Amino acid sequence: GNSVTQMEGPVTLSEEAFLTINCTYTATGYPSLFWYVQYPGEGLQLLLKATKADDKGSNKGFEATYRKETTSFHLEKGSVQVSDSAVYFCALTRNQFYFGTGTSLTVIP
Amino acid sequence: GAGVSQSPRYKVAKRGQDVALRCDPISGHVSLFWYQQALGQGPEFLTYFQNEAQLDKSGLPSDRFFAERPEGSVSTLKIQRTQQEDSAVYLCASSPQRTDTYNEQFFGPGTRLTVL
Repeated sequence: GNSVTQMEGPVTLSEEAFLTINCTYTATGYPSLFWYVQYPGEGLQLLLKATKADDKGSNKGFEATYRKETTSFHLEKGSVQVSDSAVYFCALTRNQFYFGTGTSLTVIP
Repeated sequence: GAGVSQSPRYKVAKRGQDVALRCDPISGHVSLFWYQQALGQGPEFLTYFQNEAQLDKSGLPSDRFFAERPEGSVSTLKIQRTQQEDSAVYLCASSPQRTDTYNEQFFGPGTRLTVL
């Protein structure tokens, strides 16, 4: 079947720290991979995506690389800000969207 | 505003009541999706429309759940005889593409349903 497993939270970091949120997937065929972000009180927003192996998605300083050999799509940011505090969801598409359970990130000044 | 809107934002229902949740997708978007998000979980797929056709309803948890999109724009998710386990946030998303090329989905803010 198709599924996404992501690092459990909550994660608390100090401003300017390095962020990694792990995401691994199981899928038949070749899915597209996504990271969505949900800020407090708002809807899910696309953060970045990758549609084939070795693609790197990037946006707002966040990056993730589609690794077929390790079935992973880990999210990274070199220096987090307080404004990055949100819940992050890894997802794949394979005829429909499959989401992970979300990882809550809090960045403290 | 050009985004996906949902109403109401919050709904409290007594067990056994019927509820109707509305989604206004982005104008011109072909695809529309409904998801259920339980507390602390990721969204789970409920159903999908391409224009007015409901092409996939495999995620609907029971026959108490019904969705429609009669004119290919606004959609309504109806839950009959609500139960406590129906308490969740119901998310609507739309996409300009057909489902054979899954790409970004644009999400609404959700409707938080609480069944007492």
